[in-house]
Amino acid sequence: GNSVTQMEGPVTLSEEAFLTINCTYTATGYPSLFWYVQYPGEGLQLLLKATKADDKGSNKGFEATYRKETTSFHLEKGSVQVSDSAVYFCALNAGNMLTFGGGTRLMVKP
Amino acid sequence: DTGVSQDPRHKITKRGQNVTFRCDPISEHNRLYWYRQTLGQGPEFLTYFQNEAQLEKSRLLSDRFSAERPKGSFSTLEIQRTEQGDSAMYLCASSPHGAGTGNTIYFGEGSWLTVV
Repeated sequence: GNSVTQMEGPVTLSEEAFLTINCTYTATGYPSLFWYVQYPGEGLQLLLKATKADDKGSNKGFEATYRKETTSFHLEKGSVQVSDSAVYFCALNAGNMLTFGGGTRLMVKP
Repeated sequence: DTGVSQDPRHKITKRGQNVTFRCDPISEHNRLYWYRQTLGQGPEFLTYFQNEAQLEKSRLLSDRFSAERPKGSFSTLEIQRTEQGDSAMYLCASSPHGAGTGNTIYFGEGSWLTVV
């Protein structure tokens, strides 16, 4: 079956630090890959996506590259802000619905 | 664009009672999804509709759960004889119908259920 594995959190960083959240997946076929963000008390918002191998998704300074050879879609940001504190979910769609990882909580301290 | 709307946002109920959640998707979105999310976990797929047809159900959707989308617009998720293990956030999402797996799926803010 399809599955997504994310690094466990929480990840605690100081403002302006570099962020990497690892995500690997197992899927049949050729899935599309997504990163969603969830702020406290809210639903999920799409952060970025990539639909085929070697595509790079980017938004609000975040980036992730679809690596088929390593089945990975790691999230990166060069300089995090306090406002980036949230839970980040990696997900794939290999058919008709999203399959999510367990989420990684990011805490950014001033 | 009003986004995906869910009601109620919070519900506290006694064990054994029935509860119903409503979801209004983004207009013109053919697909509607229900997910469940427990504290500290990622969302888990429950079921999805293509217009009014319920096309897939997860094994998580026990006989006590029923979802409908009678006119292909709003949807309801009913839980009968609630149990404490049903306490979770129930997320509704919608997407436009289209080929491929890259369509963005838009989520509502969720309905929190606490069973006491």
